[in-house]
Amino acid sequence: AQSVSQHNHHVILSEAASLELGCNYSYGGTVNLFWYVQYPGQHLQLLLKYFSGDPLVKGIKGFEAEFIKSKFSFNLRKPSVQWSDTAEYFCAVTSLRTGNQFYFGTGTSLTVIP
Amino acid sequence: KAGVTQTPRYLIKTRGQQVTLSCSPISGHRSVSWYQQTPGQGLQFLFEYFSETQRNKGNFPGRFSGRQFSNSRSEMNVSTLELGDSALYLCASSPTTTSGPGELFFGEGSRLTVL
Repeated sequence: AQSVSQHNHHVILSEAASLELGCNYSYGGTVNLFWYVQYPGQHLQLLLKYFSGDPLVKGIKGFEAEFIKSKFSFNLRKPSVQWSDTAEYFCAVTSLRTGNQFYFGTGTSLTVIP
Repeated sequence: KAGVTQTPRYLIKTRGQQVTLSCSPISGHRSVSWYQQTPGQGLQFLFEYFSETQRNKGNFPGRFSGRQFSNSRSEMNVSTLELGDSALYLCASSPTTTSGPGELFFGEGSRLTVL
């Protein structure tokens, strides 16, 4: 089975600070990688995804993530966070090997202080 | 395009009862997955249905079951409820792609409280 680790459980930043959230997965084959965000009181929505090609993926709201295959990592970054980025962030992995089963990390709660 | 719709949004049950949750996927999506979300545990995969067949199943006891209808709508059922079943139950639909698993589109969830 696949496993996904998100090392930061709670992150508190001031506005304009840079953000990097870690995500590592265990399966070494071909994977599809995702970051989802859950704003307070809202449903999970996709931030960005990687299927193939350029390992640097750009998503919505200025977020980006870099796939480093040798490190089994897919870290999420944003150069300058805003108060509205306060949310819970989930990394997810799936692959043809696992069918359509997604494996999620336990999430990182981000609080941005104005 | 309407999103994933889950009903009911909130419900309270007592131990030993059973509950049925419903999910209507995005039109055209044939894959429906269910997840249990609890604080600290993140999202735990329950099962996935595709064209009325259970394609994947997570590591949950047999009290958790589901089904999918010919119109792709899905239901999940939890029998003999336990306090630990209190959680947000999320349904997600996914389009079929030739390159493999597509992205998941989530509903707002059904929040179950077991007393």
